[in-house]
Amino acid sequence: QSALTQPASVSGSPGQSITISCTGTSSDVGGYNYVSWYQQHPGKAPKVMIYEVSNRPSGVSNRFSGSKSGNTASLTISGLQAEDEADYYCSSPTSSSTYVFGTGTKVTVL
Amino acid sequence: QVQLQESGPGLVKPSETLSLTCTVSGGSISNYYWSWIRQPPGKGLEWIGFVYYSGSTSYNPSLRSRVTISVDTSKNQFSLRLTSVTAADTAVYYCARYSGTPPKWFDPWGQGTLVTVSS
Repeated sequence: QSALTQPASVSGSPGQSITISCTGTSSDVGGYNYVSWYQQHPGKAPKVMIYEVSNRPSGVSNRFSGSKSGNTASLTISGLQAEDEADYYCSSPTSSSTYVFGTGTKVTVL
Repeated sequence: QVQLQESGPGLVKPSETLSLTCTVSGGSISNYYWSWIRQPPGKGLEWIGFVYYSGSTSYNPSLRSRVTISVDTSKNQFSLRLTSVTAADTAVYYCARYSGTPPKWFDPWGQGTLVTVSS
């Protein structure tokens, strides 16, 4: 199975909004509403930020939002803050009853 | 709340078998999927596979021939075995819980353990 495709890096100034894309196929992203997004700071375990495409776990800022269109899911961070600088990964189940992660996106706050 | 902790050797020789255990505390291992995920230094996350508490498994096709994930409900633990390792298997290995029913996410995660493959 191939990793989901994400841009290697995205940057923005404090207060701006950025969007990270996650492109798969109809056998993963496009076939299920179970895309989740994870934030990972250096040396730390990933933390779920969005689940089931657009839902936020308790405690996650409402500056984080998710959506999906066809085979591409997106994570938007609005009101960018210094603490948002991290790596972000999407994940999806597949039609083979396996899971796949995205290639990862490094978010830089300028 | 539920916490996960990985344990096992930090150094494995090439061609040998990597073995890790994840201990689940603060909750039961029942009714969930228990997953292993790895991250080579400086690279992205790779899903290795998972085991359901009943013992059924699913593996990443690229690793399927070398991976076994098992569960011990009496000890609230699950384990990873990866055979015939090479330097490419050097990574931080994470264990994580996945719910088969909504909310569907990997949460929580263990802190991760670095395994280096080297002679």
